Amino acid sequence: SYVLTQPPSVSVAPGQTARITCGGNNIATKSVHWYQQKPGQAPVLVVHDDSDRPAGIPERFSGSNSGDTATLTISRVEAGDEADYYCQLWDSIVDLWVFGGGTSLAVL
Amino acid sequence: QVQLQQSGPGLVNPSQTLSLTCDISGDSVSSNSAAWNWIRQSPSRGLEWLGRTYFRSKWYNEYAISVKSRIAINADTSKNQLSLHLNSVTPEDTATYYCARDPGEGATTWSHYFDPWGQGTLVTVSS
Repeated sequence: SYVLTQPPSVSVAPGQTARITCGGNNIATKSVHWYQQKPGQAPVLVVHDDSDRPAGIPERFSGSNSGDTATLTISRVEAGDEADYYCQLWDSIVDLWVFGGGTSLAVL
Repeated sequence: QVQLQQSGPGLVNPSQTLSLTCDISGDSVSSNSAAWNWIRQSPSRGLEWLGRTYFRSKWYNEYAISVKSRIAINADTSKNQLSLHLNSVTPEDTATYYCARDPGEGATTWSHYFDPWGQGTLVTVSS
């Protein structure tokens, strides 16, 4: 089945830009969704369909998808952005929802 | 605002059945656009989609191959609630279980993402 690869961790200083990648074979042909999960909480959708933001999600969160890599970009990072981030897509070949392994964002 | 509230036991004996419920507010379990999913999360398996139920003139269920022989997802329209039953559990089924909505984009189009999620229920399989 389709595999999504994320770096285990990303570190960034407050106020800087964090970029979290999600790799997959020709991923640009699929719609990628991103979730934020803080400790002890359920995942929260922050970007859907590559680059759309749900209501209530700050404009600092944006997404892109090209080639074999989808990217979640968090601008002007704040301490409150520290969390695990997961990418997800639907594999139409096997009709299965697939998640990446997650990236832990540390705000230094 | 759609909210999902989960309930159920946090400890299940091996070989028994894991049963959880998810109360829905702000939407209907028999919505003609949404689908209602169960997803679990464990350190060893990460986030794993288990299955879903939805209503389009009749009820449909779809399950992940990994649990298809052991799982049942049901909807109770009188309580606006969905349930998960996973039988013959082993310690490998220990995980945090979430219900989640695929909002859908009409009767025939899925969103293929999950929003919102329930608060999660940590279920430990142990004697």
